Amino acid sequence: DVKVTQSSRYLVKRTGEKVFLECVQDMDHENMFWYRQDPGLGLRLIYFSYDVKMKEKGDIPEGYSVSREKKERFSLILESASTNQTSMYLCASLDPSAISGSDGNTEAFFGQGTRLTVV
Amino acid sequence: GQNIDQPTEMTATEGAIVQINCTYQTSGFNGLFWYQQHAGEAPTFLSYNVLDGLEEKGRFSSFLSRSKGYSYLLLKELQMKDSASYLCAVRDNTNAGKSTFGDGTTLTVKP
Repeated sequence: DVKVTQSSRYLVKRTGEKVFLECVQDMDHENMFWYRQDPGLGLRLIYFSYDVKMKEKGDIPEGYSVSREKKERFSLILESASTNQTSMYLCASLDPSAISGSDGNTEAFFGQGTRLTVV
Repeated sequence: GQNIDQPTEMTATEGAIVQINCTYQTSGFNGLFWYQQHAGEAPTFLSYNVLDGLEEKGRFSSFLSRSKGYSYLLLKELQMKDSASYLCAVRDNTNAGKSTFGDGTTLTVKP
């Protein structure tokens, strides 16, 4: 089974702190994603990466940065945490080579989520 | 970009059938996914449609009409454990395989 692991299930940080959220996947997937999930707003894409050292902004990148130094690890960084970044953060990965294959239905695999509270 | 609409909440009775609708407007389409998410847990994959028609998988079925920008998830023989949020997601046609998610439909199954 694909496993996507996020380093923490719950985090409490202070305003202004630098926060690192780590995500590791064990299936050699090229593509990895960071989402945040808020009531009434659904999952919103923050950043994604389709290769080592490659990154692209999603829909809400402001206040965040990412790092992809190794294929299996995709880190989300809050340079200076703010209370409006209190949220559930979800990491996902997928194998893009299967999208255009005969099956073509590769789904995204999600980590268990990190509930971050900024106080 | 993509815009996804689905109802916020639904309630159904154990043993019944429920249909959760999803409409979308898209600038590129490479498949529609349904995920199930229990409270406090990660979304898990339920179904995938890229061609028009019905895909059946046990108690769950999913339908797609690309011309109408419409999908539904059908859950039969509802069980209490089916109480969860159901997320509709549309994948774009870039190599990145980005998906845009709806806000989710919270289904409550009552005895």
